[in-house]
Amino acid sequence: ETGVTQSPTHLIKTRGQQVTLRCSSQSGHNTVSWYQQALGQGPQFIFQYYREEENGRGNFPPRFSGLQFPNYSSELNVNALELDDSALYLCASSLGGRWSDEQYFGPGTRLTVT
Amino acid sequence: QKEVEQNSGPLSVPEGAIASLNCTYSDRVSQSFFWYRQYSGKSPELIMSIYSNGDKEDGRFTAQLNKASQYVSLLIRDSQPSDSATYLCAFIQWNMLTFGGGTRLMVKP
Repeated sequence: ETGVTQSPTHLIKTRGQQVTLRCSSQSGHNTVSWYQQALGQGPQFIFQYYREEENGRGNFPPRFSGLQFPNYSSELNVNALELDDSALYLCASSLGGRWSDEQYFGPGTRLTVT
Repeated sequence: QKEVEQNSGPLSVPEGAIASLNCTYSDRVSQSFFWYRQYSGKSPELIMSIYSNGDKEDGRFTAQLNKASQYVSLLIRDSQPSDSATYLCAFIQWNMLTFGGGTRLMVKP
């Protein structure tokens, strides 16, 4: 167990809807990164938050947005859901905002868009 | 050329053998490399990080890094059926962690 928690575990949404996923980082970690993992592929980086500021973003459209709270927990919001958004969404926490820091994953949220 | 190349497998080894997992990457500048293990239906679990050329050992696991050849590997000694999983290599590129597609390892009793 990494101490990183995510909610909900599973979620089913309809195309066009909006979804919010939540992540609590490991104690002492101030950095949260979000990833999308499609079936049979490696995780794809969405964005990272360090001390409540976005610290990097992958190749995802603006309808993927996020924020980080003062307690370093984080949310991922996805608007206008598409069928291709169906995936495992992972958050990972790390210690200090450096990209060389080790990242520890939570259990993930399985999102199904119908 | 993909940024991270891994043989998708499956790689099948008998119990007690050495499993060798390989990964090549495209970015010569990267300094940080990671191996994760992912069981089916679960999230990735960090096994090893390696930052310098050479070998790094942790229990039954040894990571090997060759920056000149842009190559990183993971050796698992005395493989056990519980090691059966997908192994993901990852490295830092353009200030983000970039993953390969993973190699599926099957350890047969």
